[in-house]
Amino acid sequence: KQEVTQIPAALSVPEGENLVLNCSFTDSAIYNLQWFRQDPGKGLTSLLLIQSSQREQTSGRLNASLDKSSGRSTLYIAASQPGDSATYLCAVTPYNNNDMRFGAGTRLTVKP
Amino acid sequence: NAGVTQTPKFRVLKTGQSMTLLCAQDMNHEYMYWYRQDPGMGLRLIHYSVGEGTTAKGEVPDGYNVSRLKKQNFLLGLESAAPSQTSVYFCASSYMAGTYNEQFFGPGTRLTVL
Repeated sequence: KQEVTQIPAALSVPEGENLVLNCSFTDSAIYNLQWFRQDPGKGLTSLLLIQSSQREQTSGRLNASLDKSSGRSTLYIAASQPGDSATYLCAVTPYNNNDMRFGAGTRLTVKP
Repeated sequence: NAGVTQTPKFRVLKTGQSMTLLCAQDMNHEYMYWYRQDPGMGLRLIHYSVGEGTTAKGEVPDGYNVSRLKKQNFLLGLESAAPSQTSVYFCASSYMAGTYNEQFFGPGTRLTVL
């Protein structure tokens, strides 16, 4: 059974700092990995989707990497801003299965 | 485009009552999903649909039923609500499955069962 873990559960950084969020998964047989942002009381917003054949994706100040063989992904946020404060979730889509598996998320706080 | 919308936003039920949550998408997506999110846990898939008239079970289907009579709508039903079903429910949709399975989410429904 695919399990997805995100460490740390919470992270607090000063504004301007570069930071890395971690995601690990137990089964490398995946179609893709997706990073989401969730603001309090809101739904999920898709940030980046990395296909299994790709190693990274970039969008603005965000860069996500994927190492399928080691079962790891990182989300790099450059020059963090208070507006980046939110919970970040990663999820994988296993082969031959529509059951996307989510991590519990990392709650990020960026202090002004 | 409204994207994915969910009705209602909040609901309080008593144990044993029934209700239906409505999800609608205007992106012409084939695939639709219902998840629940509990504190300290990731989202878990309840049921999903790969097209109009089809449904399938996810990771935690017990106590729920679903229907997809129209391509744009996906309904989640609770026939006899239990306190363990207190959760936030999210609907999502995607154009394709597999490699290109990028899911788009609704704002959620917060359900409390007393």
